[in-house]
Amino acid sequence: DTGVSQDPRHKITKRGQNVTFRCDPISEHNRLYWYRQTLGQGPEFLTYFQNEAQLEKSRLLSDRFSAERPKGSFSTLEIQRTEQGDSAMYLCASSPPLGRDGYTFGSGTRLTVV
Amino acid sequence: EDQVTQSPEALRLQEGESSSLNCSYTVSGLRGLFWYRQDPGKGPEFLFTLYSAGEEKEKERLKATLTKKESFLHITAPKPEDSATYLCAAESNFGNEKLTFGTGTRLTIIP
Repeated sequence: DTGVSQDPRHKITKRGQNVTFRCDPISEHNRLYWYRQTLGQGPEFLTYFQNEAQLEKSRLLSDRFSAERPKGSFSTLEIQRTEQGDSAMYLCASSPPLGRDGYTFGSGTRLTVV
Repeated sequence: EDQVTQSPEALRLQEGESSSLNCSYTVSGLRGLFWYRQDPGKGPEFLFTLYSAGEEKEKERLKATLTKKESFLHITAPKPEDSATYLCAAESNFGNEKLTFGTGTRLTIIP
């Protein structure tokens, strides 16, 4: 098991373009989370999946953001019409059923909107 | 609204100089208090979970403790490889597994 994988590691895009990130969680983990982290801040919760069901969404997740986890395995996070304020590290994490010992985070996707 | 505050923002220590990091939390029914370590350009790495006041956990030079209002991460005789940002996060019983993070303490250990 190689841990939580995120792709791409870095993405530079022009303002107004759409971007999509992928997260592959640890295989036995049915819970998957997306967080966003800006420089000097702690991660902020965006959304949470249990299997394929999206159970929680933050107010931070505007209608330009959409996340999916079609078969309860990998997940995608899409940002439409990117803005400069979307520049951040997007972190994915996963945890097993009934897991209480913290999530396992991926290394993140660094998005820069120019 | 759940809040987590960490202090200090940054801390520089000589190698071998022990110290403590503070995490104060305001959460509606604490389900768990988490400590993570984050190196530059990487995702947070899980260190500890604490569930109830009075609980303590240790790992190498690190020890985490929990009271009803705050948690401490004690670092004993640190080494340069302990340099990182240490993040504290709280999970509420009512938050549907959402973690609320503090802004972290950036720790630098000078050889």
